[in-house]
Amino acid sequence: NAGVTQTPKFQVLKTGQSMTLQCAQDMNHNSMYWYRQDPGMGLRLIYYSASEGTTDKGEVPNGYNVSRLNKREFSLRLESAAPSQTSVYFCASSRTVAQHFGDGTRLSIL
Amino acid sequence: GQQLNQSPQSMFIQEGEDVSMNCTSSSIFNTWLWYKQDPGEGPVLLIALYKAGELTSNGRLTAQFGITRKDSFLNISASIPSDVGIYFCAGTLKETSGSRLTFGEGTQLTVNP
Repeated sequence: NAGVTQTPKFQVLKTGQSMTLQCAQDMNHNSMYWYRQDPGMGLRLIYYSASEGTTDKGEVPNGYNVSRLNKREFSLRLESAAPSQTSVYFCASSRTVAQHFGDGTRLSIL
Repeated sequence: GQQLNQSPQSMFIQEGEDVSMNCTSSSIFNTWLWYKQDPGEGPVLLIALYKAGELTSNGRLTAQFGITRKDSFLNISASIPSDVGIYFCAGTLKETSGSRLTFGEGTQLTVNP
């Protein structure tokens, strides 16, 4: 039982490049989330999907887009990467309030 | 929006000591969650609290949902080296899936053998 799987684990991009971060969960959870984690700032919600077919903005959505491909998969896209988007990105899923996290994607924008 | 103040920001303790950390909110929550994050990994759920005044234990960990619904506390007894990591509190007003969690900024715990 893998839980929440994120790919890739590491990525380096140049400013202006595009990138899609993938997330899949095998727990049959309805809701999925994307966060970014920066030093000293905890976890900030980028986008979330309360159920298949719906997506909503979180606290810091600018510069990102998401796709809830099906119940299992929720992807995060950076259309034109900027150095300010250098961060660790976490995907999470939930059946109830408690969210379960993947191990993150470490993204550096040069 | 809602804000969570988590304290202390960091703690340096000796193995065997007890640890206490807390979170306070600017508004009420109906659910409090405590997570631990090890280096290079995602946060892992430790304890979930769903009722004001609730006291819940998970091994050496004990967490409480404050009566005012604006705070929560996490205690770790008899700390061991593997307790090292970042501890996050999180809260939400909703009680269903799809709820947005507000996270504290974390408490970095270091345990000296």
